[in-house]
This record gives sequence, structure tokens and C-alpha cells, in this order.
Amino acid sequence: GNSVTQMEGPVTLSEEAFLTINCTYTATGYPSLFWYVQYPGEGLQLLLKATKADDKGSNKGFEATYRKETTSFHLEKGSVQVSDSAVYFCALSDQGSGNTGKLIFGQGTTLQVKP
Amino acid sequence: EAQVTQNPRYLITVTGKKLTVTCSQNMNHEYMSWYRQDPGLGLRQIYYSMNVEVTDKGDVPEGYKVSRKEKRNFPLILESPSPNQTSLYFCASSHGTVGDQPQHFGDGTRLSIL
Repeated sequence: GNSVTQMEGPVTLSEEAFLTINCTYTATGYPSLFWYVQYPGEGLQLLLKATKADDKGSNKGFEATYRKETTSFHLEKGSVQVSDSAVYFCALSDQGSGNTGKLIFGQGTTLQVKP
Repeated sequence: EAQVTQNPRYLITVTGKKLTVTCSQNMNHEYMSWYRQDPGLGLRQIYYSMNVEVTDKGDVPEGYKVSRKEKRNFPLILESPSPNQTSLYFCASSHGTVGDQPQHFGDGTRLSIL
């Protein structure tokens, strides 16, 4: 079945450091890919998305490129801030089960940014 | 303000005592869904609904029920809760089920079943 694998956390960085959170996926068909962010005590918020191969999603300085050849959707940011501390989830739309709208999530990666 | 509202936010209860977690959205979304979040497992779908009176099982439906009598509401029912249902629960909604539609999430309900 379809699945998403994220790098293990937690990731601890100093402010202004470069961030990469790896995400790879296994899927049939052509799923859309998403990054969601969860701040402490809150629900998930969509951070960015890409709907087809080679698309680049971007938002708030974060970027991720849909790489079909490597089945990856790595999240990057050039200079992180303390306010970016959160849990980040990679997800894909599960089109293999009859377009039920289900999202398949990775296990989440906790990012802690220190001043 | 567009939002998905869950209640309660926190609940501690005992095994076997029926409980309901409510979910309401004000965006006129057709699609609604329940997920549970557990450490190391990410979020897993429990049930979903394509529209009023249309519901179906997700990946982990055992021990749960849902109903969709109105478009805006999608309650999650635990008829006889057990400790393995201790988890963080999220309700989500979106327009239709097209794969690229982002889902809007509530703030979560943390259930502890003793």
C-alpha cells in the first residue's frame, strides 16, 4: 500500500541555520504531496503542497519539490527562526483507494530551533 | 472565521462509559474525516464522510462510530471506550475529495481512557 517515511526526529537547530527534513513516499498513480505543520496545542495547518512531478511548493520561506524519480518531497528552509519550532508532517493523497480523500501521513518530525 | 471546531478539547474517562466527540465546520465542506494521532505512527484515518448520510471506514475504524446527519457536523462516538483508544483525535474537512484539496483540521481532542 501507499506509505510515507520521514526522517527521525527531533531535529535541533540554531536560529538562522539551514533546514532539511527528508520525506520519501511509496504510491501507485500520481498522488498530490503535502507538508503540514503542527504548533504546540494546535491542529495541523497546511504549509505547502505540490500536485505533480517537478512542482515546487513554497510558503513562509519553506520549499519542497515533488521528485518522482527519487519519490521524494524534502522540506527545506534557508534560515530557520525560533517560531518555526513545531512538528512537521509529510503526507500524500491516497488515490489508490478509490479517491476517498484520505491522507497518508508520515510519523512527523519535531523541529526545535534555539536562539 | 473559517474553522473546524472540536469539543471537548480534553477528556479523562473510564473504560466502557460511552462518549461523543463533536466536530463542526463552517465552510460548507462536503468532505469530513476523523484521524487519530499516536507517537511514532503519525495520523491514521478512522472514518470519513463524502457528504450527508454518506460515511465509510478508514484504516482504524474498530471501536468507533460516526454519523453525518447535517453537512456541518460529524460526531465521533465511542460506544464502549477502552484504554487502547487513548489518543489525540483530529477532525478535518475539505471541499470534495479531489486529491489536491487541502484539509482543514480542528485543534484536536485529547482522550484518556482509564
